[in-house]
Amino acid sequence: DAEITQSPRHKITETGRQVTLACHQTWNHNNMFWYRQDLGHGLRLIHYSYGVHDTNKGEVSDGYSVSRSNTEDLPLTLESAASSQTSVYFCASSERPGLEVFEQYFGPGTRLTVT
Amino acid sequence: GDSVTQMEGPVTLSEEAFLTINCTYTATGYPSLFWYVQYPGEGLQLLLKATKADDKGSNKGFEATYRKETTSFHLEKGSVQVSDSAVYFCALSDLAMDSSYKLIFGSGTRLLVRP
Repeated sequence: DAEITQSPRHKITETGRQVTLACHQTWNHNNMFWYRQDLGHGLRLIHYSYGVHDTNKGEVSDGYSVSRSNTEDLPLTLESAASSQTSVYFCASSERPGLEVFEQYFGPGTRLTVT
Repeated sequence: GDSVTQMEGPVTLSEEAFLTINCTYTATGYPSLFWYVQYPGEGLQLLLKATKADDKGSNKGFEATYRKETTSFHLEKGSVQVSDSAVYFCALSDLAMDSSYKLIFGSGTRLLVRP
């Protein structure tokens, strides 16, 4: 069965370190998204990609970067981790929509703690 | 910009009670509307969706009707079960916004159903 996986599931890091969170999907979806989930804010979009070599900033992109070298993977990098980036991170993917409504499929999440 | 507002939680109900979770939205175009559910420790799953005014989405006993006149998409279930305990997110996707296919989420409503 197709799926979307994230690794690691839990990560503790120190302020100032570079951290990369992995996201891998086997749906063969063109669209991939990274969100962060914080209490009281729901999910907020960090970055998204509509295909290989395409990346776009979301509403909370400062301090994060992504790259898309193939269809299956969209790693999220925190260049210099800050305590404000302690959160739960979700990756999602979806088909390239035409005029139809699309569904985003979510990974299980990565809980990141920055000390 | 576009936004989604959900009622504050947590909502605590006894088993077999009637559930309503309110959701209202602001959008410049003609959005599609979604309810996603997040069970403890998991990612989000699509619960139901509606693409145009007066559409009713339904799944697993949950229903929501797209009301353009009141800009609402309230989630209802006639008889909740303990297994429905989760966080529920209302979301919209507005293609007219910027020719993108991003989801905008509400802050989530936690539902706790007691036996």
